[in-house]
Amino acid sequence: SYVLTQPPSVSVAPGQTARITCEGNNIGSKSVHWYQQKPGQAPVLVVYDDSDRPSGIPERFSGSNSGNTATLTISTVEAGDEADYYCQVWDSSSDHYVFGTGTKVTVL
Amino acid sequence: QVQLVQSGAEVKKPGSSVKVSCKASGGAFSSYTISWVRQAPGQGLEWMGRITPTFVTTNYAQRFQGRVTITADESTSTAYMELSSLRSEDTAVYYCTRDRGSSRWFDPWGQGTLVTVSS
Repeated sequence: SYVLTQPPSVSVAPGQTARITCEGNNIGSKSVHWYQQKPGQAPVLVVYDDSDRPSGIPERFSGSNSGNTATLTISTVEAGDEADYYCQVWDSSSDHYVFGTGTKVTVL
Repeated sequence: QVQLVQSGAEVKKPGSSVKVSCKASGGAFSSYTISWVRQAPGQGLEWMGRITPTFVTTNYAQRFQGRVTITADESTSTAYMELSSLRSEDTAVYYCTRDRGSSRWFDPWGQGTLVTVSS
C-alpha cells in the first residue's frame, strides 16, 4: 500500500516560514491535499490539488508537489497556526485514500 | 454550504457493535460521496471506507473489510458507519466527511463521534 511520511514535528518562530514535507513514491504524479487539525477539533482543508486554497484560507498557506516530496508552506506564521497538519492523496490504483503520518507545528 | 452533523458519543463493550450517524444538510445528498475516517487517541487519521453517489457502491479499507458497513438513507440525508466485533483498539474519534473533486479531497468534516470500547 502507498505510504506518506511526514516529519513528526516542526518548530517555527512567529513571523517566520514553516515548511512541512510529505514524502511518497513519485508523489509528484498525484494530487496532494493538506489538512489542519487543532486540538479537540475536526480537520480543516487548507490546500487541495497540490496548491489550491479553499475560500477562507489565508494566502499564507501554499503548497507545492514534485518528484517524491510535497510541501505545505506557511508564511508569516502566527500563534493560531499551531496545530497538527496532515497530507492526503487518493491512490487511484487501489481506489483507497492515504493520509500522511502527521506533523505537529509548534510556534515558539 | 454543506454541513455534516454526527451522533453523540458511545461507550461499548468488547465484541459488540456501534453505529454512528452523519446527517447532511445544505446540498443534494444523493450526489455526495461520504467517507469515514477515524483517529485513535494521540494518533493520526485513518480512512475506513466510503459510499458513492446514489449509494450504489461502497469501498472499504482492507484492514476494516468484514467489520465495517457503510450505508446511507436518502430520505433522511443520513449516512451510517457500523463497526462490529469491537475491541479496545477501536476506541477513537470517528469522522464523516465529504469527498470532493476528481482527485478526492475531504471537505467538510463532521464534528466527530467518540467511541469508547471498554469492559
